[in-house]
Amino acid sequence: AQSVAQPEDQVNVAEGNPLTVKCTYSVSGNPYLFWYVQYPNRGLQFLLKYITGDNLVKGSYGFEAEFNKSQTSFHLKKPSALVSDSALYFCAVRALNSGNTPLVFGKGTRLSVIA
Amino acid sequence: DGGITQSPKYLFRKEGQNVTLSCEQNLNHDAMYWYRQDPGQGLRLIYYSQIVNDFQKGDIAEGYSVSREKKESFPLTVTSAQKNPTAFYLCASTPRTGPGDYGYTFGPGTRVTVV
Repeated sequence: AQSVAQPEDQVNVAEGNPLTVKCTYSVSGNPYLFWYVQYPNRGLQFLLKYITGDNLVKGSYGFEAEFNKSQTSFHLKKPSALVSDSALYFCAVRALNSGNTPLVFGKGTRLSVIA
Repeated sequence: DGGITQSPKYLFRKEGQNVTLSCEQNLNHDAMYWYRQDPGQGLRLIYYSQIVNDFQKGDIAEGYSVSREKKESFPLTVTSAQKNPTAFYLCASTPRTGPGDYGYTFGPGTRVTVV
């Protein structure tokens, strides 16, 4: 079975400071990993994905994520947070060889960037 | 522009009433999904469809029904058997399923409220 854990319901950070939103996963075999962002009353927007290759993945709006296979983690990071980054962030996973199984999403982490 | 449309944006359901949420995509995607979003619970899969005239139950299918008569359309009916339908409903699609690096494109969502 596939699962995703986002251990923090809420992350608060001051504008200009670095931010990290944590994600750990569990799959059989190699994972496909995704980060999505959701603004109030909107659908989810794709930020970045890890399939294979470099462990550091760069995505939209200056976000990046680091894949760590030994720790089964895929933390989302940004060097300097903006107030406009305040939103709900979801990590998602599916196994590379899982056939047609849908993505499994974490419960989400609400990021609040304070000016 | 290609994308996913969901209608209505807001829907008020009376007890004992069946209501249908529309999801249409013009992306030529094969697979479509319905997720339910509740505060603090993340996204939970209701139903998904990988090809026309075929669909599978997700984790919380009870009280819901779907059809996939056309590739572009995947309507969700919230039946009277769903006792707690108040939630935000998200439709998503992806080009094809199976091994690959395809994330999801999401629609803007429909908020259902019981009155």
